[in-house]
Amino acid sequence: NAGVTQTPKFRVLKTGQSMTLLCAQDMNHEYMYWYRQDPGMGLRLIHYSVGEGTTAKGEVPDGYNVSRLKKQNFLLGLESAAPSQTSVYFCASGRGGKWGEQFFGPGTRLTVL
Amino acid sequence: ILNVEQSPQSLHVQEGDSTNFTCSFPSSNFYALHWYRWETAKSPEALFVMTLNGDEKKKGRISATLNTKEGYSYLYIKGSQPEDSATYLCAFWSNDYKLSFGAGTTVTVRA
Repeated sequence: NAGVTQTPKFRVLKTGQSMTLLCAQDMNHEYMYWYRQDPGMGLRLIHYSVGEGTTAKGEVPDGYNVSRLKKQNFLLGLESAAPSQTSVYFCASGRGGKWGEQFFGPGTRLTVL
Repeated sequence: ILNVEQSPQSLHVQEGDSTNFTCSFPSSNFYALHWYRWETAKSPEALFVMTLNGDEKKKGRISATLNTKEGYSYLYIKGSQPEDSATYLCAFWSNDYKLSFGAGTTVTVRA
């Protein structure tokens, strides 16, 4: 099993460009999450999904959109990238339930110039 | 997003010494408390998931305790080694589908 994978691993964008980050999991998890990591701020939740076809806003959703058309995939889109979106993006998946354990992907390092 | 606090923010430990640090979280709507280990340039990896008041978990030289009534958890590292250098995250799971993460405690073990 590959677990949680993220594509791409690195990307450099110019301000105003758009892109989509792909997260895929092969553990049949219902719940999927997108986080961003910035120095000194830990992990901040951008958007999440509790099942195919559902999405919800997290702590820092502005400037991002998401889609969960298939259970195994969770896409994060940046419509018009800004330098403030320079960050490392982590995807995670989990079963939810009473414990809520999450499994993380390797991360995508995004730089917006 | 619930308020989960970790202290200290960072600490330096001499190799062979033991250390501990704290995670505080809301005591209401408690389902589980998670500890993750996060090495530089890698993704967070689960250390412990703790659900019951008084829980104690151990993995090698690392252990954790849980007090849900007062809303805190301690993580202990016994006989620190350079490979223990990492950021340790705690996260609170309630009934709202989201993990609320603390900002982490970064441990640096000096040889």
